Amino acid sequence: DAGITQSPRYKITETGRQVTLMCHQTWSHSYMFWYRQDLGHGLRLIYYSAAADITDKGEVPDGYVVSRSKTENFPLTLESATRSQTSVYFCASTLAGTYEQYFGPGTRLTVT
Amino acid sequence: DQQVKQNSPSLSVQEGRISILNCDYTNSMFDYFLWYKKYPAEGPTFLISISSIKDKNEDGRFTVFLNKSAKHLSLHIVPSQPGDSAVYFCAGFQGGTSYGKLTFGQGTILTVHP
Repeated sequence: DAGITQSPRYKITETGRQVTLMCHQTWSHSYMFWYRQDLGHGLRLIYYSAAADITDKGEVPDGYVVSRSKTENFPLTLESATRSQTSVYFCASTLAGTYEQYFGPGTRLTVT
Repeated sequence: DQQVKQNSPSLSVQEGRISILNCDYTNSMFDYFLWYKKYPAEGPTFLISISSIKDKNEDGRFTVFLNKSAKHLSLHIVPSQPGDSAVYFCAGFQGGTSYGKLTFGQGTILTVHP
């Protein structure tokens, strides 16, 4: 299906484990973003990417790693999950030079 | 440093009445402001935007007003419908940056009662 997809939709993991959240878009948008949504904080930017192999930190990058070897994929890895990383994670994409971002359905991650 | 703030965590309105959601910002370099709507278990979806050089933009039942001197914007929904019940996020976009970064507020939960 066309659009932006995220997997898994729900994930429970233990403290200290590595977990990777996947994001895939079919629009060939150059820019992709990872946000986390927490009560009282809204959507906060974790990392973003302007193109394949170009990534940069957002507002809350600590504890996260990203890569972008292909334009359509932008995985987010928690190298050693902590309880504070329990959140809902959203991937988004946009065309260069535009401001409207398109969001995926989200991944609800629980770290026990 | 919260550049975009939505100070009302929730708003409850009767069906058919007006809903007014508010947003304040501190960054005077924002070129556009956007409103997103989010239903449970779904991603946010774009609703309406306004350029910083405008003071009003209307799209059907949704109107966004911008008061630059007060660094304040508001979203009006008239008439409100139960299907409008969702979380609403305002966001600012600063042009001149190459990555289309949006800065979001905390969100306001709107509940429209039948």
